[in-house]
Amino acid sequence: GENVEQHPSTLSVQEGDSAVIKCTYSDSASNYFPWYKQELGKRPQLIIDIRSNVGEKKDQRIAVTLNKTAKHFSLHITETQPEDSAVYFCAASTDSWGKLQFGAGTQVVVTP
Amino acid sequence: NAGVTQTPKFQVLKTGQSMTLQCAQDMNHEYMSWYRQDPGMGLRLIHYSVGAGITDQGEVPNGYNVSRSTTEDFPLRLLSAAPSQTSVYFCASSYGRTSYEQYFGPGTRLTVT
Repeated sequence: GENVEQHPSTLSVQEGDSAVIKCTYSDSASNYFPWYKQELGKRPQLIIDIRSNVGEKKDQRIAVTLNKTAKHFSLHITETQPEDSAVYFCAASTDSWGKLQFGAGTQVVVTP
Repeated sequence: NAGVTQTPKFQVLKTGQSMTLQCAQDMNHEYMSWYRQDPGMGLRLIHYSVGAGITDQGEVPNGYNVSRSTTEDFPLRLLSAAPSQTSVYFCASSYGRTSYEQYFGPGTRLTVT
């Protein structure tokens, strides 16, 4: 089955700097790659996603890139703010609608 | 719309007890899933359903049962609780077809002693 690895497990950045989280996946049939943000004690919420027919997608300060050949995808957060502090999860799916395989998560801490 | 709702929010069980975690959605989503979240392990899929009357196993199904008699409801049953089932449980739903986003419920924190 699919295996998703996520790095780093923790990331500390100064406010205003950029943050990058990287994920690799094992199943070349995976075609949907969402990123979720989870604040402490809250539910995961989708922040951005990308499908396999697209190499890059951007939404304001966040962007995701996908390299199908290398089977890895990354989340980029620019101009980080304290409210970006949370756990971020990448995921991959071969079914598009669900059956998500999640990475272990990255704790991002943005210090003022 | 209430979105995805889960009850209870917290539950403590003794080893061997059984219980049902409730999940409901009012968005007319076809697809529903149950995940468990453990520290350092992300979210792992327990069971999922692609529509009323259709369910299938995910990555960690042992010790859990599900059924889907209506589009709205997708309960998760713990047959005989074990300490290894101490976790936070999330239900999620998605429309499917052209909309892939999964909407998560608020979660149920379960402790088995």
